[in-house]
Amino acid sequence: DVKVTQSSRYLVKRTGEKVFLECVQDMDHENMFWYRQDPGLGLRLIYFSYDVKMKEKGDIPEGYSVSREKKERFSLILESASTNQTSMYLCASSTTPWDTQYFGPGTRLTVL
Amino acid sequence: QQQVKQSPQSLIVQKGGISIINCAYENTAFDYFPWYQQFPGKGPALLIAIRPDVSEKKEGRFTISFNKSAKQFSLHIMDSQPGDSATYFCAASKGDMRFGAGTRLTVKP
Repeated sequence: DVKVTQSSRYLVKRTGEKVFLECVQDMDHENMFWYRQDPGLGLRLIYFSYDVKMKEKGDIPEGYSVSREKKERFSLILESASTNQTSMYLCASSTTPWDTQYFGPGTRLTVL
Repeated sequence: QQQVKQSPQSLIVQKGGISIINCAYENTAFDYFPWYQQFPGKGPALLIAIRPDVSEKKEGRFTISFNKSAKQFSLHIMDSQPGDSATYFCAASKGDMRFGAGTRLTVKP
């Protein structure tokens, strides 16, 4: 059974803190994605990676960075968290960028 | 830029009724149209998908209807059940995946 796991289900941070969200997949997928989900806005792509150490900006990369040092792990970094980054963050992986994506359970981040 | 427009934003249906969610896209290059289902506290999961060489795909109570000329596709849930209550996302892809804004479906018993 395919599996994408995320390091935390719920996270509360303070404004200005550095935040790390981690995602691990066990399907040997080349491609991994980070989305944020907000009511009425659907899923918005933050960053994606098509190979180890490779990354591409999505639609809303501002305020975020990513790291992919190993094929199975993709990290999202908020360098200095702000209240407008309070959201649900979803990680996904797929064999190709345009094929079925498998999602993790999400991390609900609250920035106070 | 919203390349996939989804409606309605929310939908309430009685048990046994038909739920219909619509999506429209702009990019004629899109060639894969999946629907994802998301239950509260879970990530989205693939429900059903279609490619533009067919006009309809059915899996159990779930059917995708696809109209290439109108650049529209829809999800029909027949005999809707309370267990179908979830958020549904349409998507379209060619090179990358574009998601609709989501529809929160509530099926009342």
